[in-house]
Amino acid sequence: DVKVTQSSRYLVKRTGEKVFLECVQDMDHENMFWYRQDPGLGLRLIYFSYDVKMKEKGDIPEGYSVSREKKERFSLILESASTNQTSMYLCASSFRGIADTQYFGPGTRLTVL
Amino acid sequence: LAKTTQPISMDSYEGQEVNITCSHNNIATNDYITWYQQFPSQGPRFIIQGYKTKVTNEVASLFIPADRKSSTLSLPRVSLSDTAVYYCLVGEPGANNLFFGTGTRLTVIP
Repeated sequence: DVKVTQSSRYLVKRTGEKVFLECVQDMDHENMFWYRQDPGLGLRLIYFSYDVKMKEKGDIPEGYSVSREKKERFSLILESASTNQTSMYLCASSFRGIADTQYFGPGTRLTVL
Repeated sequence: LAKTTQPISMDSYEGQEVNITCSHNNIATNDYITWYQQFPSQGPRFIIQGYKTKVTNEVASLFIPADRKSSTLSLPRVSLSDTAVYYCLVGEPGANNLFFGTGTRLTVIP
């Protein structure tokens, strides 16, 4: 079974803090994705990576950056957290691309105070 | 970019068959249609994928008409545990431009 794990289920941070969300997959997938999910807005793609050290912007990259130093790990970084970044963050991986079957982690609910 | 349109919500009684339709008028030749299920406090989970006609697995069936501008996810004899949000996605395998949308919230009533 494919496993995608995220470093925290719940996280509370203060405005202005630097926040790291970590995601690890164990299936040697090429592609990894970060989404945020908000009520009424569905899942929105923040960034994705199709290879180590490669990244592409998704629909809403502003205020975020990512890092992929190893194939199995994809990090989402909030350089200076703001209250409007309070959300559920979901990581996913797939073998070929976004339209290939994506395997999701359990999500991290981030609250920025 | 093929976007999708689904009903926001649906209710169904236990034991009934549920059909959720998704419109994707701009579907491209190489696009596949994929459905995901998401339970509260969990990430989405792949249900089924198809290109044309009909696909069936142990969980659901997917019906795709000849023009492929829509698709219907069919869940046979739903139970309370099928209460979830269902997402329809359209895209080309290997591509990275895809839109998840807001999904359809299915509520199964006892």
